[in-house]
Amino acid sequence: SQQGEEDPQALSIQEGENATMNCSYKTSINNLQWYRQNSGRGLVHLILIRSNEREKHSGRLRVTLDTSKKSSSLLITASRAADTASYFCATVDTGNQFYFGTGTSLTVIP
Amino acid sequence: DTAVSQTPKYLVTQMGNDKSIKCEQNLGHDTMYWYKQDSKKFLKIMFSYNNKELIINETVPNRFSPKSPDKAHLNLHINSLELGDSAVYFCASSRFTSGTGELFFGEGSRLTVL
Repeated sequence: SQQGEEDPQALSIQEGENATMNCSYKTSINNLQWYRQNSGRGLVHLILIRSNEREKHSGRLRVTLDTSKKSSSLLITASRAADTASYFCATVDTGNQFYFGTGTSLTVIP
Repeated sequence: DTAVSQTPKYLVTQMGNDKSIKCEQNLGHDTMYWYKQDSKKFLKIMFSYNNKELIINETVPNRFSPKSPDKAHLNLHINSLELGDSAVYFCASSRFTSGTGELFFGEGSRLTVL
């Protein structure tokens, strides 16, 4: 399968803690993107990292990419209850097709 | 203003019926998509259209037929609905076909087939 695989499937942390979720993939990529999905809602784009980039920041989000290991991680610092959602990585291959995984379900306990 | 809007949000119907889901985007994007999200939250691409032309047609039953009257609209028509069609269907759009941009998703249409 060409889909990304997120790990862990579920994560529960206390408010204020950091949350780290990982994504592994199998094919060569053009870029990798992270999305957030609140319960019953559509996916919302968070951040895009290109294949020639190793790290990217956006507010409390930090994304890393290791193309040699075909993996990426998303770190959310100082988590808030409002960060509770499912987080998906999407790999965009060299044929420009998007592949999503099944996501990491994050619960932030107030 | 909602960027990508799809209707209806909920759809409950009997097996064998035909139903449609409509999608409109007001972002001026050239490319639109239909995704299916199953009960395990796995998102699978179904179709992709660029300027009203089909560019991706994944292996989906031919009971599913997308229709794009113009580049701002991509509707999904489903014939002879089956139990396994129950899922959440998402419409999305992107500015570029090249995959270098982000996807903008609608809120989803939850289809339940009884």
